[in-house]
Amino acid sequence: EPEVTQTPSHQVTQMGQEVILRCVPISNHLYFYWYRQILGQKVEFLVSFYNNEISEKSEIFDDQFSVERPDGSNFTLKIRSTKLEDSAMYFCASSKGAVYNSPLHFGNGTRLTVT
Amino acid sequence: EDQVTQSPEALRLQEGESSSLNCSYTVSGLRGLFWYRQDPGKGPEFLFTLYSAGEEKEKERLKATLTKKESFLHITAPKPEDSATYLCAVTYNTDKLIFGTGTRLQVFP
Repeated sequence: EPEVTQTPSHQVTQMGQEVILRCVPISNHLYFYWYRQILGQKVEFLVSFYNNEISEKSEIFDDQFSVERPDGSNFTLKIRSTKLEDSAMYFCASSKGAVYNSPLHFGNGTRLTVT
Repeated sequence: EDQVTQSPEALRLQEGESSSLNCSYTVSGLRGLFWYRQDPGKGPEFLFTLYSAGEEKEKERLKATLTKKESFLHITAPKPEDSATYLCAVTYNTDKLIFGTGTRLQVFP
């Protein structure tokens, strides 16, 4: 069964450094998402991406964050200057259709640790 | 404010002991309620979508139901492999899912 793949599985970085988290969504999906889960907390929405542009973003997704679909297969999340509070598990997800009529398929996440 | 609340936070069951997990929501204009399973260190795995009150979905030992204010995930005769965190999420008039904090289920042989 096709799946969403994320790399790396674990990323350690120093505060202030830039990180890029990478995702390969399921090939025939059209909608792409990033969510994050701080340890022991809820899964939180960051951003949705459709038709090569951001369709919605949360308050968390400030100017330090950006997303890109550089080619037909990859979807990336960049954090320009990491903070300690960015430490979390970051999940990429994709779906065939809009969120209300098409289930999201999640990757297994990238654990980001900011020191 | 909390829009999705799940209870209990944790549940320990003996193998074969049926039970129910609850998800209550306060959003208006619900467009879908979703159940996911999450194993440790993994991403959420889709189980069910429910759209309207009275709807029911079943998969193996799991059955999800929906009312106007809450959803239940019924687990019949659970097995140890059903141990996981079960997440409920809703969507209304946006592109995002709003998740609850989950119920951590442990099933002992």
